[in-house]
Amino acid sequence: GESVGLHLPTLSVQEGDNSIINCAYSNSASDYFIWYKQESGKGPQFIIDIRSNMDKRQGQRVTVLLNKTVKHLSLQIAATQPGDSAVYFCAENMKGSARQLTFGSGTQLTVLP
Amino acid sequence: GAVVSQHPSRVICKSGTSVKIECRSLDFQATTMFWYRQFPKQSLMLMATSNEGSKATYEQGVEKDKFLINHASLTLSTLTVTSAHPEDSSFYICSAPGLGLYNEQFFGPGTRLTVL
Repeated sequence: GESVGLHLPTLSVQEGDNSIINCAYSNSASDYFIWYKQESGKGPQFIIDIRSNMDKRQGQRVTVLLNKTVKHLSLQIAATQPGDSAVYFCAENMKGSARQLTFGSGTQLTVLP
Repeated sequence: GAVVSQHPSRVICKSGTSVKIECRSLDFQATTMFWYRQFPKQSLMLMATSNEGSKATYEQGVEKDKFLINHASLTLSTLTVTSAHPEDSSFYICSAPGLGLYNEQFFGPGTRLTVL
């Protein structure tokens, strides 16, 4: 079936560098996407979202890019800090699906000192 | 922002017993809540949609008689794992959507269930 997936299961970056986490989705009916951060033993924490009528959205140190042509989503974290170490999930909401979310497999981001 | 709480945060029980997990929206009302299960190093898998005032909707492969869901009020949903077995050990997370069509979902802190 259709699913949300990630290209990289793990990512290690040096502190201060920029991080890019990628996500591929296959459901063309999805119209809302969210990035979540999950620290060990905790629930997912909202980072940033984007609607399908947009291709870029910026937050504090984070940017989400959406390429509907190739069904690709990315999360960019600027000046990565040790506190950014966590698992990052993308999630999609299919239009008309009662706001249920389908989660990708996750990427473990490790920030090296 | 909106806050969702869960209780207990962790529970250990013996095989064959039942465990109830509560999910509360603290400062907003939620007619719908979602229950997820997450195994170690895996993603969140939607188990069911809890609907206030009506029956829950279960995802394919989730046994409704084993995972009882009750949405008792606009701020409370409960998940009861009946006759728990070691394979039910997992991290259970609930969420509630915010207001508006595109608002994000707010997640609880999760409940770690260990069945001995």
